[in-house]
Amino acid sequence: EAGVVQSPRYKIIEKKQPVAFWCNPISGHNTLYWYLQNLGQGPELLIRYENEEAVDDSQLPKDRFSAERLKGVDSTLKIQPAELGDSAVYLCASSSPGAGDTDTQYFGPGTRLTVL
Amino acid sequence: AQSVTQPDIHITVSEGASLELRCNYSYGATPYLFWYVQSPGQGLQLLLKYFSGDTLVQGIKGFEAEFKRSQSSFNLRKPSVHWSDAAEYFCAVALGGGADGLTFGKGTHLIIQP
Repeated sequence: EAGVVQSPRYKIIEKKQPVAFWCNPISGHNTLYWYLQNLGQGPELLIRYENEEAVDDSQLPKDRFSAERLKGVDSTLKIQPAELGDSAVYLCASSSPGAGDTDTQYFGPGTRLTVL
Repeated sequence: AQSVTQPDIHITVSEGASLELRCNYSYGATPYLFWYVQSPGQGLQLLLKYFSGDTLVQGIKGFEAEFKRSQSSFNLRKPSVHWSDAAEYFCAVALGGGADGLTFGKGTHLIIQP
């Protein structure tokens, strides 16, 4: 079974440019998460989706960050415009409440963003 | 607000020696508890989790963790470490269940000496 897929793995952009990250969760997982991991820190939740609905976006900086999960499967996280402080690893995770392995979040490899 | 503390930023252990990584949480109720491992360039992998029941939890790769309610702790242990265990270890909690977003500690970097 394929795991959580993220692309790109690495991205280098100049400040003020837009950037987008893509995530494909494990097949059948209806819950999807985006986390931000700064260097030397643990991941921090940005947004959680249940199917198409964003049920927790309280930590998402909405002035420059946006996310979507239009068909309840793939998701895109966007930053516009990017700032130097956005350099970090962006992690996507998915889970399937009610399945045999209930409530376990499976993480993708992440996208490492460098803003110059 | 819930918080997770991993007091040790770095730990160095000789190969074959035992390991204990500490984790304390601040919470009004008993949360769901997790330990994840992250190797360089890799995603987070779940080692084990505690929801309820037996307070000693067995995980993958020979790891175990013990939940102690009185100490608000969930320490990770391994009786004999291997060089491949060198990685970053994160403790995480969730209040309403594992489907909620996780709150992570800052991590402990494990170094294995030959």
